[in-house]
Parts: sequence; C-alpha cells; structure tokens
Amino acid sequence: EAAVTQSPRNKVAVTGGKVTLSCNQTNNHNNMYWYRQDTGHGLRLIHYSYGAGSTEKGDIPDGYKASRPSQENFSLILELATPSQTSVYFCASGDAGGPSQNTLYFGAGTRLSVL
Amino acid sequence: GDSVTQTEGQVTVSESKSLIINCTYSATSIGYPNLFWYVRYPGEGLQLLLKVITAGQKGSSRGFEATYNKEATSFHLQKASVQESDSAVYYCALSDLGNNAPRFGAGTKLSVKP
Repeated sequence: EAAVTQSPRNKVAVTGGKVTLSCNQTNNHNNMYWYRQDTGHGLRLIHYSYGAGSTEKGDIPDGYKASRPSQENFSLILELATPSQTSVYFCASGDAGGPSQNTLYFGAGTRLSVL
Repeated sequence: GDSVTQTEGQVTVSESKSLIINCTYSATSIGYPNLFWYVRYPGEGLQLLLKVITAGQKGSSRGFEATYNKEATSFHLQKASVQESDSAVYYCALSDLGNNAPRFGAGTKLSVKP
C-alpha cells in the first residue's frame, strides 16, 4: 500500500540548534508538502515541491528551508530552531494531475518541541 | 491568497441527531477551486473524506454530504444522523485552479454523545 512516512515521530531540540524532519513517499506522486498544525490554526502550508529539485514557499516559510533530492524524499530544515517552531508537522504527497489531482495523502506527523 | 474559514472549533451533537459543519472559502483565481473535506479519527492519520471539483455538485461519503455552492462560496458538511463513530476532527480545504497547493481551515472537532 502506498504510504507517506515521516521521521522522527517525536523530536526535542534546543533553541538555536538545527533540526531536519524527513519524509518519504511510495505513492510516486510528483507533489509533496509540509504543513504545521497548531491549535486554532489548522494546517498551515510551509513549503511544497512539484518534483525532484524543486521547492516552493508556502504561506509561512520564514525560519524553514526545504529540500527535495528525489521523487520520494522531501525534508524540512530548521537551521536555527526557536520555541515558536514547537508544533506538529505533517508531510503529504499528491498527484499533479488526473482525477485525484491535489488529493493529499498524509504522514503520521512529527511532534517537535524546541526548548 | 486563498483561505478557508471554519467558524466552529468544536461541536457536540447527540447520537442520531443531524449535523452541519460550516465552511466558507476565498479563492484568488477567477475560476472555481477544488473543495475537500478531510477527517482525522482518534488515533488515525488525516484522510480524505470527500472531494468536489465542479460548482453545484454534491459529494458524499460515509453518510456525509457537502455541496459546492459557488454563489455563497460555501462547502458545508452535513449528516442526517450522526453516530458515535463519527467523532473526529474535520478539516475543510481548497485547492485553487491547476496544480496549486491545498489550503486548510482550522478544523472542527466533532464529539457525538451516546
């Protein structure tokens, strides 16, 4: 079964440290996305990608970088983590076209605490 | 930019009663976006509940329905008779024309009382 796998599932980081969240998909989807979820805000789009080598800024990209080295992998990088980045992060993949265009398949999430 | 508004953060309904969860949207393109409802059941991941891509059409799944109302820019989720197993968090989302990244509402937590 196609899947989106995130690692780690839980992470505690120190302020100022570097954090990398990883995402792997076996759906063979072109598009991948990173969202964060906070109470009262729902899912907010951080970065997304249309394919290997491409990254695009979402609605809240400040403090985050993204990397898409291959079709399957999409990473979210916090170069200098801050407590305001404490959140649950979700990765998703989706088709670029066809009848399931923009239907997203989500990973289980990564709970990040920045102390 | 595109946005989705869900006005109720939490809704409590008694079993077998009807339900409506409100969703309105704003899209920057002059065409009609694709509209979605996603659901997260306790202990499970976020998954698609239903999707409608054509204005005026209705989508349905698991007894839930949502109608794409372009005049009111709304996509309310309804169910005639809820069950305890419907307790979950529901998210409305839109994806503007073409290959655009979906945007989500804040979510509505539904609790169904036995």
